Amino acid sequence: DVVLIQTPRSLPVTLGQPASISCRSSESLVDSDGNRYLSWFQQRPGQPPRLLIYKISNRFPGVPDRFSGSGAGTDFTLKISRVEVEDVGVYYCMQGKQHSNSFGQGTKLEIK
Amino acid sequence: EAQLEESGGHLVQPGGSQRLSCVASGFNIRNYWMTWVRQAPGKGLEWVANIKGDGSEKYYVDSVKGRFTISRDDGKNSLFLQMYSLRVEDTAIYYCARRQFDWYMGNTFDLWGQGTTVTVSS
Repeated sequence: DVVLIQTPRSLPVTLGQPASISCRSSESLVDSDGNRYLSWFQQRPGQPPRLLIYKISNRFPGVPDRFSGSGAGTDFTLKISRVEVEDVGVYYCMQGKQHSNSFGQGTKLEIK
Repeated sequence: EAQLEESGGHLVQPGGSQRLSCVASGFNIRNYWMTWVRQAPGKGLEWVANIKGDGSEKYYVDSVKGRFTISRDDGKNSLFLQMYSLRVEDTAIYYCARRQFDWYMGNTFDLWGQGTTVTVSS
């Protein structure tokens, strides 16, 4: 089974400053056909998860362009260029290389 | 507008059973894989099960294999999760989600319901 490790687990950020979350996979999430199977989700307090990024770097419609995803192989990053109050919540990476999906443990972003 | 709405979660004793429902609107579930994801109190997200559009393929997390069954009723445009032999550790909010599984989006969940709460306790 694919295991995803996120760091840091807690991320205090000053408003307007950038933020970065890392997700490391136990195996490559790019298959032999070049398909890329890493997504990022945001979960605001009391809300269901929301898709932010799919296939490593593709922003889902409606997601602000301050969110970006990058990475390859087993190392991936979610970046927020300038954190806003509405970005508070928990962020999860998820692998889709297998039919058995799995999530990282989550990173809690808070405002300093 | 595409939406998902779960129902059926409530308090049940250990060893009991429960059936969760998820009604889709704004799209036809027979054209999509669908999934259940759960979240224990104060914990992270855990994928539970996936089902293909025609119901021919189903996948489960190891901890629920043999106890949970995912199914769908295209006539009702609904997804279900039948849960047996419930354990305290199954206590969670259960979310249904639409799975995009294609070349364009890879393998991800693009639409989520608000969730329904299952509590397993004596």
